[in-house]
Amino acid sequence: EDQVTQSPEALRLQEGESSSLNCSYTVSGLRGLFWYRQDPGKGPEFLFTLYSAGEEKEKERLKATLTKKESFLHITAPKPEDSATYLCAVSKAAGNKLTFGGGTRVLVKP
Amino acid sequence: ETGVTQSPTHLIKTRGQQVTLRCSSQSGHNTVSWYQQALGQGPQFIFQYYREEENGRGNFPPRFSGLQFPNYSSELNVNALELDDSALYLCASSLAGWREAFFGQGTRLTVV
Repeated sequence: EDQVTQSPEALRLQEGESSSLNCSYTVSGLRGLFWYRQDPGKGPEFLFTLYSAGEEKEKERLKATLTKKESFLHITAPKPEDSATYLCAVSKAAGNKLTFGGGTRVLVKP
Repeated sequence: ETGVTQSPTHLIKTRGQQVTLRCSSQSGHNTVSWYQQALGQGPQFIFQYYREEENGRGNFPPRFSGLQFPNYSSELNVNALELDDSALYLCASSLAGWREAFFGQGTRLTVV
């Protein structure tokens, strides 16, 4: 069965303190790995798609990387507005859904 | 480009009642998926519709059903509501089931 595990569950950072979130996955025939940001009570906001090991994507202070077993979301010099839950999801070949991890809640204090 | 919109945003129902949630997909997207998100957890796949046909279903009972219309909008129906059905219900549209999905703001359902 496909599994996606995110760690840590929660992360408290000082403004400017860089850190990384981990998403490890077990899926046969990975088609894509996706990162989302979710604010409380809102729907997930799409950030990145990664398709193959070695691929990297960047957006402002966020950088996502992918290996054959896991993905990392690096947050460089975070600001309070980066506080949110970050969700990782995977899809598989011939698949019809995204399988999500439980998310990492990030709090950035000024 | 119009994003995914869901209605209503909040809903309170009594156990045993039925509810219908609605979703308008993003322009150009023919695939709509529904997810249930309990507090503090990641979204769980309910089912997906592609060109008005169900195209996959997660581990949810038959009292969860859906429809997709010719304009690709969609409905999620839940019969015989239970307290555990209280959750954020998310609709997402995409160009294909395995591609990145774009989510609406969700419908917060509370069953009392």
